[in-house]
Amino acid sequence: AQSVTQPDIHITVSEGASLELRCNYSYGATPYLFWYVQSPGQGLQLLLKYFSGDTLVQGIKGFEAEFKRSQSSFNLRKPSVHWSDAAEYFCAVGSNDYKLSFGAGTTVTVRA
Amino acid sequence: DTGVSQDPRHKITKRGQNVTFRCDPISEHNRLYWYRQTLGQGPEFLTYFQNEAQLEKSRLLSDRFSAERPKGSFSTLEIQRTEQGDSAMYLCASSLSGASNYGYTFGSGTRLTVV
Repeated sequence: AQSVTQPDIHITVSEGASLELRCNYSYGATPYLFWYVQSPGQGLQLLLKYFSGDTLVQGIKGFEAEFKRSQSSFNLRKPSVHWSDAAEYFCAVGSNDYKLSFGAGTTVTVRA
Repeated sequence: DTGVSQDPRHKITKRGQNVTFRCDPISEHNRLYWYRQTLGQGPEFLTYFQNEAQLEKSRLLSDRFSAERPKGSFSTLEIQRTEQGDSAMYLCASSLSGASNYGYTFGSGTRLTVV
C-alpha cells in the first residue's frame, strides 16, 4: 500500500522568501505524484503532477517540484512567496487504480 | 465548465439522523470519487465510480454509508444514523479515465457537523 509523509506540520516564511515543502512517499512501483493546495474551507486545487520523464515539474502559481527516486521524495518549491500562498499543502501518491493517498499536510503562514 | 459542485456546503445534524450530500462532477468526466477529510488530516479515499458503476469502496465506508451515481452523472452520498465521529469534510472529485488524465478536480466540499 502506498503512503505519504509530510514531515513539516507548519512552516512560516516571510513574503518574498523562498519556500520548500518536503514530501516522502512509499510505493512499490513507479509513482504518480501530486501536490494540491487547500485554502481554508475550500476544496483542493491541483498545483502539479509527476508521472514520468523530466524529474523537475512546473506547476501553476510559480510552483515546481522535483522527483528524486533515490530519496523517495517529491519536494515542492517556490522561489518567492506571496501573501496569497498562505494555505495548506498536500502531497499525494496515486496507484494504478487512480486512488490517491494524501499526506497529513503542511500549513504555510506568510508573514509580511 | 463550472467545475465540481457540492451541495450543501455545510450541514449540521443531530446524532442519529440521516443526511444526504450531492455532487455534480464536470460534465464530461466519467470517474467520480468521494473522500473524507477530518481536521488536521489529508483526505481519505471512500469510494469511486466509473460512469454509474461503483468500482471500489474503502473499509472506512461502513454499512451506514451508501453512495450512488444512478445515471453516471451526479452522485449522492448518504449517511444513515449519523454519529459524532462522522463529523468531517466530505469531498467529491471527478476526472476522465486514463493515466494521462490522472489528477482530480475537487469540489469545495460539504462540511458535516454531528451534534
